[in-house]
Amino acid sequence: GAVVSQHPSRVICKSGTSVKIECRSLDFQATTMFWYRQFPKQSLMLMATSNEGSKATYEQGVEKDKFLINHASLTLSTLTVTSAHPEDSSFYICSARPDLNTEAFFGQGTRLTVV
Amino acid sequence: AQSVTQLGSHVSVSEGALVLLRCNYSSSVPPYLFWYVQYPNQGLQLLLKYTTGATLVKGINGFEAEFKKSETSFHLTKPSAHMSDAAEYFCAVSPYNNNDMRFGAGTRLTVKP
Repeated sequence: GAVVSQHPSRVICKSGTSVKIECRSLDFQATTMFWYRQFPKQSLMLMATSNEGSKATYEQGVEKDKFLINHASLTLSTLTVTSAHPEDSSFYICSARPDLNTEAFFGQGTRLTVV
Repeated sequence: AQSVTQLGSHVSVSEGALVLLRCNYSSSVPPYLFWYVQYPNQGLQLLLKYTTGATLVKGINGFEAEFKKSETSFHLTKPSAHMSDAAEYFCAVSPYNNNDMRFGAGTRLTVKP
């Protein structure tokens, strides 16, 4: 199947700094990628839909100025957590679908810890 | 808009017993349905999917699910649980005509020896 690579898998940062997470589709082009946040023992919460060449679409309640999404090419989307705070600590996962008839393929996830 | 309800946040079975994880969906257009499994600190892996055609779909690791339109259900089953099946399971629904995918709350499966 298709492969989505997410990097880094773990990151620890200090409060007030910014962290960038990359999501790459390795063997297909993805005009749309999705970013999720997952709290311990909970489901995936869709944060935003990343659209290549245009602005991301954010879900209600997600601060777009805090969670910056850039989808600069058909194989790369990045999520930047700006001015991180301890409450931003979470597991972030990206996904992409090669086309509508296929399933979503997920990155390995990024465990963010803000200290 | 579409949504998914997974009944039972936690299911516990004995090794060798039947596994049944329930999923009901709501969709205003024909749905595509998916079951994913997640192990700790990892991304999601597809178990099986229904798009069109046969309503009984078989997936990896001996799992299968049946799409029942009249019941708006897509329950996941496995005849005999194995210890390695212990994980978090997510049901997801997507409209046939766009990329939006929504997940259920998840069901944690525990397998007792």
